[in-house]
Amino acid sequence: EAGVAQSPRYKIIEKRQSVAFWCNPISGHATLYWYQQILGQGPKLLIQFQNNGVVDDSQLPKDRFSAERLKGVDSTLKIQPAKLEDSAVYLCASSLTGSNQPQHFGDGTRLSIL
Amino acid sequence: AQKVTQAQTEISVVEKEDVTLDCVYETRDTTYYLFWYKQPPSGELVFLIRRNSFDEQNEISGRYSWNFQKSTSSFNFTITASQVVDSAVYFCALSEARRGSQGNLIFGKGTKLSVKP
Repeated sequence: EAGVAQSPRYKIIEKRQSVAFWCNPISGHATLYWYQQILGQGPKLLIQFQNNGVVDDSQLPKDRFSAERLKGVDSTLKIQPAKLEDSAVYLCASSLTGSNQPQHFGDGTRLSIL
Repeated sequence: AQKVTQAQTEISVVEKEDVTLDCVYETRDTTYYLFWYKQPPSGELVFLIRRNSFDEQNEISGRYSWNFQKSTSSFNFTITASQVVDSAVYFCALSEARRGSQGNLIFGKGTKLSVKP
């Protein structure tokens, strides 16, 4: 079974620029998550999708972050404009439906803001 | 409010030693799930185990074992006869079953384990 695919693996941009990350979940997983992991901390949920609908985006900074999952499969996360504090690893995860289901993570995108 | 505390920031052991990683959680829900994940230097989070709040049986998988105690709100992880390949950051996480929170994993800050040869 193929795992969660993310790209790019690394990204370096200057502050105020925009950036987009892509994620393709495990086939058959209806739930998709985007997490932000700042160095030295645990991942923090940004947004959760169930198929193509948003379940929870309460911690997404909506003035600069946006995400979509138009066809209920792959997803993109965008930051515009980026700030220095956005430097982090952005992790995508997917799971079967239900809070008891383990989430399977991709390798993440390491974002550095100069 | 829900919270996961991993008080040990870093642990260093010598190969073949046993090591226990502590996890304490807070939740007001009666139904919840606890997870452990491993994050090696490559960065990918690897799922290790899930326990639900109604099952306090301890679990053993090879050199890994988990001790879940609701009375102390703890879900500790023990590695027996540690190996260099166990070096990683280990995260404990909590998921609540209530509506609006389903699937949202609350992570601790992680414990960095270094196993030296």
